[in-house]
Amino acid sequence: GNSVTQMEGPVTLSEEAFLTINCTYTATGYPSLFWYVQYPGEGLQLLLKATKADDKGSNKGFEATYRKETTSFHLEKGSVQVSDSAVYFCALSGYGNTGKLIFGQGTTLQVKP
Amino acid sequence: EAGVVQSPRYKIIEKKQPVAFWCNPISGHNTLYWYLQNLGQGPELLIRYENEEAVDDSQLPKDRFSAERLKGVDSTLKIQPAELGDSAVYLCASSLTGTGEGQNIQYFGAGTRLSVL
Repeated sequence: GNSVTQMEGPVTLSEEAFLTINCTYTATGYPSLFWYVQYPGEGLQLLLKATKADDKGSNKGFEATYRKETTSFHLEKGSVQVSDSAVYFCALSGYGNTGKLIFGQGTTLQVKP
Repeated sequence: EAGVVQSPRYKIIEKKQPVAFWCNPISGHNTLYWYLQNLGQGPELLIRYENEEAVDDSQLPKDRFSAERLKGVDSTLKIQPAELGDSAVYLCASSLTGTGEGQNIQYFGAGTRLSVL
């Protein structure tokens, strides 16, 4: 079945450091891929998405590229801020982008000043 | 525009007691989801509604969990009786199903954190 695997956390970085959070997936067909972010005490917020191979999703300085050949959707940011501290979830949705999201286990990011 | 609203935010009950969670989706969203999020894990789908119809409830433990979405708007998720293992965050999400850009994106509420003692 479909599944998502994320790198384990927590990831601790200093402000302005480069961020990579790895995400790989297993899916049949052509899933859509997402990154959601969860700040303390809040619900999940969509950070970015990509719906087909080689698409790059981007938002708020974060980027991720849909790599079908490596079944990956790694999240990157060139310079993190303290305000980026949160839990990041990689997720996929089946072809047509309807139905349930399948999430990874989440990666906690801590950014220190 | 108001987002997905859930209540209560927190609930503490003793085991074997009943509990209910309420969700008001974004206005106009026809699809509503209930997810379960255990500590340190990603959310897992419990049930999905298209308007009033439950189209995917395969992960809902039907012996103790029930849900309804009357009139295709608000939804209620109930547990009766609650068990210790039900302690988790219950998330509601909604989306507008269609083919246009921006559609089929799930928007989440803040969740209800349930503690069963």
